[in-house]
Amino acid sequence: GENVEQHPSTLSVQEGDSAVIKCTYSDSASNYFPWYKQELGKGPQLIIDIRSNVGEKKDQRIAVTLNKTAKHFSLHITETQPEDSAVYFCAASPRSGGSNYKLTFGKGTLLTVNP
Amino acid sequence: DSGVTQTPKHLITATGQRVTLRCSPRSGDLSVYWYQQSLDQGLQFLIQYYNGEERAKGNILERFSAQQFPDLHSELNLSSLELGDSALYFCASSVGLAQQGEQFFGPGTRLTVL
Repeated sequence: GENVEQHPSTLSVQEGDSAVIKCTYSDSASNYFPWYKQELGKGPQLIIDIRSNVGEKKDQRIAVTLNKTAKHFSLHITETQPEDSAVYFCAASPRSGGSNYKLTFGKGTLLTVNP
Repeated sequence: DSGVTQTPKHLITATGQRVTLRCSPRSGDLSVYWYQQSLDQGLQFLIQYYNGEERAKGNILERFSAQQFPDLHSELNLSSLELGDSALYFCASSVGLAQQGEQFFGPGTRLTVL
């Protein structure tokens, strides 16, 4: 089955700096890669996703890049703000036919943005 | 607010007991997924239902079962509970076939087994 590795497990940055979180996956059939943000006491919230026919996607201060050859994808947050502090999860989903789009998650990255 | 609701928010029970967790998907979503989140295992996919039918199974124990009802709400049943079952249980929903993988998570149920 799919295996997703995520690093770093913790990341501390100063407000205004950039943050980068990296993930690798094992199943070459995976073609959907979402990123979730989880704040304390809440469920994961989808913040951005990318499909395998795209190399990069940007949404304001957040961008995701995908390298299918190397099987890795990254989340980039620019101009970080204290409210960006949370746990971030990457995930991968192989298309297995029908409606089976189960997600395999990385272990998460605790991002702390210091004012 | 994702539009996915889960009840109860917290559940405290004893080993050997059985509990039921409930999930209502976003309006219009046909797929429901259940995940378990623990410190050591992270977020693990348990099971998926689509329009009332089981579609995919992950690392779900035989003591656990789920179903999706005609009104599309879902229940996760956990029986013969063990201390190690203490975790956060999340439900997520998606439209299903129309959008690949965009899953929206509920706030979760925190289960504590004493």
